[in-house]
Amino acid sequence: DQQVKQNSPSLSVQEGRISILNCDYTNSMFDYFLWYKKYPAEGPTFLISISSIKDKNEDGRFTVFLNKSAKHLSLHIVPSQPGDSAVYFCAASSHSGTYKYIFGTGTRLKVLA
Amino acid sequence: GAVVSQHPSRVICKSGTSVKIECRSLDFQATTMFWYRQFPKQSLMLMATSNEGSKATYEQGVEKDKFLINHASLTLSTLTVTSAHPEDSSFYICSARKAGGPLNTQYFGPGTRLTVL
Repeated sequence: DQQVKQNSPSLSVQEGRISILNCDYTNSMFDYFLWYKKYPAEGPTFLISISSIKDKNEDGRFTVFLNKSAKHLSLHIVPSQPGDSAVYFCAASSHSGTYKYIFGTGTRLKVLA
Repeated sequence: GAVVSQHPSRVICKSGTSVKIECRSLDFQATTMFWYRQFPKQSLMLMATSNEGSKATYEQGVEKDKFLINHASLTLSTLTVTSAHPEDSSFYICSARKAGGPLNTQYFGPGTRLTVL
């Protein structure tokens, strides 16, 4: 039972354009969401997070949007850079679930120079 | 701040042997540490939650007798894979939650690649 899904396993974007990565969840108890960037054989690197009381959070080139009614969040990266090429995971947690993270299935982003 | 280390970074062992992986919080105290496993091209799956001084809580489907977790201090948790088999080959990642810090914030280690021959 995959509670957090990323339906696009891969995405290619031209350098300078916007990358949009999507994530869907099923558990309405989730109240905190995060995005991580990961390279093979390395730990995940935190990018940005959002609480369920907000619908948008922005940090530099990264913006996360949350649509609670649709149980959907997205990460926008603009402008995309070749160094952004990695696998991106969304994660969700709930105060009623001891705040443990449930990770999505991942999207491999390739930014083309 | 908030650095988490893992040792070793990679280990190769023979089938049937046990392997211990250490997770340390270097510049903070961690009352809670988490252990994840990632198979190639798959997601990070939470294996267990370990609280300092108490027994770990394992996720459904994770064998507690096979994956022994010890969290004896506020800066160290260990995961021991007992009687390892090739199917245990995976990338193991730990994370730590700061004592007194936000409950929804975890700091991740760099991971340990385990290969069982």
